[in-house]
Amino acid sequence: EAGVTQFPSHSVIEKGQTVTLRCDPISGHDNLYWYRRVMGKEIKFLLHFVKESKQDESGMPNNRFLAERTGGTYSTLKVQPAELEDSGVYFCASSQSRLAGGTYEQYFGPGTRLTVT
Amino acid sequence: RKEVEQDPGPFNVPEGATVAFNCTYSNSASQSFFWYRQDCRKEPKLLMSVYSSGNEDGRFTAQLNRASQYISLLIRDSKLSDSATYLCAVLSSASKIIFGSGTRLSIRP
Repeated sequence: EAGVTQFPSHSVIEKGQTVTLRCDPISGHDNLYWYRRVMGKEIKFLLHFVKESKQDESGMPNNRFLAERTGGTYSTLKVQPAELEDSGVYFCASSQSRLAGGTYEQYFGPGTRLTVT
Repeated sequence: RKEVEQDPGPFNVPEGATVAFNCTYSNSASQSFFWYRQDCRKEPKLLMSVYSSGNEDGRFTAQLNRASQYISLLIRDSKLSDSATYLCAVLSSASKIIFGSGTRLSIRP
């Protein structure tokens, strides 16, 4: 079974530019999460989708970040305009619906390393 | 105070040794707990969930102490390949995982 995939693996952009990150969850997983790790800090939650709906976006830093999951499959996270402090590794995770017999276990993708210069 | 706290280490132990990590959490309403393993510049990989009764998976044993609000991970007969950062993770709601900062483990030959 394919795991969570993310694209691109690395992105280097200049301050003020726009970047869009993509995440493909494990097939059949209704829950999709975005997390971020900035240098020297813990991995922090950004938001949670259940299918195409945002269940919890309490971790989104500000309105420069926009996450979408049209159709309830893959998700994108757009940063516009990017700032220096947005640099970090952005992880996506997915989990199966509890109603479908899943647990709360979340499986992580390889991450996108974003560098804003 | 952080919601999830871990000793950052590093723990440097010889191959074959037994090593244990603890992690404390502040939210007494937390329901689900996990240990993840993260190799350098890689994603966190789920090592094991932690159940109230404690659970074992091969050389790894996880325990939960709700009264004292801590979870532990015990690694027996450590291997060189166990060298990694071990992340304590607490599900704070139905959605978000709160991670600790991780404990670095280095196994020496």
